[in-house]
Amino acid sequence: GNSVTQMEGPVTLSEEAFLTINCTYTATGYPSLFWYVQYPGEGLQLLLKATKADDKGSNKGFEATYRKETTSFHLEKGSVQVSDSAVYFCALSGGDYKLSFGAGTTVTVRA
Amino acid sequence: EAGVAQSPRYKIIEKRQSVAFWCNPISGHATLYWYQQILGQGPKLLIQFQNNGVVDDSQLPKDRFSAERLKGVDSTLKIQPAKLEDSAVYLCASSLGTWGELFFGEGSRLTVL
Repeated sequence: GNSVTQMEGPVTLSEEAFLTINCTYTATGYPSLFWYVQYPGEGLQLLLKATKADDKGSNKGFEATYRKETTSFHLEKGSVQVSDSAVYFCALSGGDYKLSFGAGTTVTVRA
Repeated sequence: EAGVAQSPRYKIIEKRQSVAFWCNPISGHATLYWYQQILGQGPKLLIQFQNNGVVDDSQLPKDRFSAERLKGVDSTLKIQPAKLEDSAVYLCASSLGTWGELFFGEGSRLTVL
């Protein structure tokens, strides 16, 4: 079945540091890949997505590239801010409108 | 545009009691989902509705959990009787059907004592 494995946290960074959160997946066929974010006190929201190999999703300074050869979709941001403190979830959809989520990575950015 | 509404936000009950959660999806969204998120884990799909029909309930513990979506709009999720391991946040989400773009409510946090 489909599954997602993402880097365990928590991750603590200083402002303006570089952030990477690793995500690898197992799936049959050609899934779509997503990063969702959950800010404190808020619901999950879509951060970015990629629907085919070599696609790059980007939003709010975050980027992730769909790498079929390594079955990965790592999230990166070049310079984090305190407002980026949140829980980040990697997710996969096999085309049936159902999402399979990773366990989540808690990121804390210190001023 | 109004988002996905859920209530109650918090609920504390004793084991063997019952509880119900309500969800109002974004207007026009045909697909509605209930997810269970246990502390430290990613959300797990419990049930998926397309309009008022069930698409997938394979991971719903049907001996104690039930869900309905009357008239293809609002939905309720019920647990009866609750167990300690049901302590979790119950997330409702809706979508137009766009591949993987779900809109989530803030969740209902259940504590079973």
